[in-house]
Amino acid sequence: DTAVSQTPKYLVTQMGNDKSIKCEQNLGHDTMYWYKQDSKKFLKIMFSYNNKELIINETVPNRFSPKSPDKAHLNLHINSLELGDSAVYFCASSQGGLAGGIGETQYFGPGTRLLVL
Amino acid sequence: DAKTTQPNSMESNEEEPVHLPCNHSTISGTDYIHWYRQLPSQGPEYVIHGLTSNVNNRMASLAIAEDRKSSTLILHRATLRDAAVYYCILRDDNDMRFGAGTRLTVKP
Repeated sequence: DTAVSQTPKYLVTQMGNDKSIKCEQNLGHDTMYWYKQDSKKFLKIMFSYNNKELIINETVPNRFSPKSPDKAHLNLHINSLELGDSAVYFCASSQGGLAGGIGETQYFGPGTRLLVL
Repeated sequence: DAKTTQPNSMESNEEEPVHLPCNHSTISGTDYIHWYRQLPSQGPEYVIHGLTSNVNNRMASLAIAEDRKSSTLILHRATLRDAAVYYCILRDDNDMRFGAGTRLTVKP
């Protein structure tokens, strides 16, 4: 069984559309994250959720909205997609949070490759 | 603006040890040193972490300088499957910041 799974694996869409990426973890972890990896391969944290509560929201446009229906799921909704949103988006989870466990290991999903045309 | 500095790329021969350096001269007393790696077309994968003492696990060893301003990830016998980008990260309470990493190429 995959520990952290994401769907879809690939997403090609037109500018201006609204899309969602789903993430699920079966590790029983309390904290989930979304990262964006741009074309230069830099990984940057976008959001951190601990027990369904938003902990970190880096300077991400409000077109991006994370939604956590339960602690095993953290979905990413993106409204009015722009060309610059094209990237690989990674979901991750950890037992503790960034603020609660300095030594915590994060487990990453396989990524969703988003291409906005 | 990562807080660590790593060489852009390194090469190794299969079955030989690899030493991946990382400089973190601005490290604070509470920062943990984490290493992750990212294989092609995959998500990052945890490798090892430490605070002050050297650490060993089944994947690698982590050697931390006495002043903690640098560290070295050691792969004892590189395999072709170890070809990846290796990230050295300083973790504190509210930060998990990836830099550009070191791209390791392993030659047969």
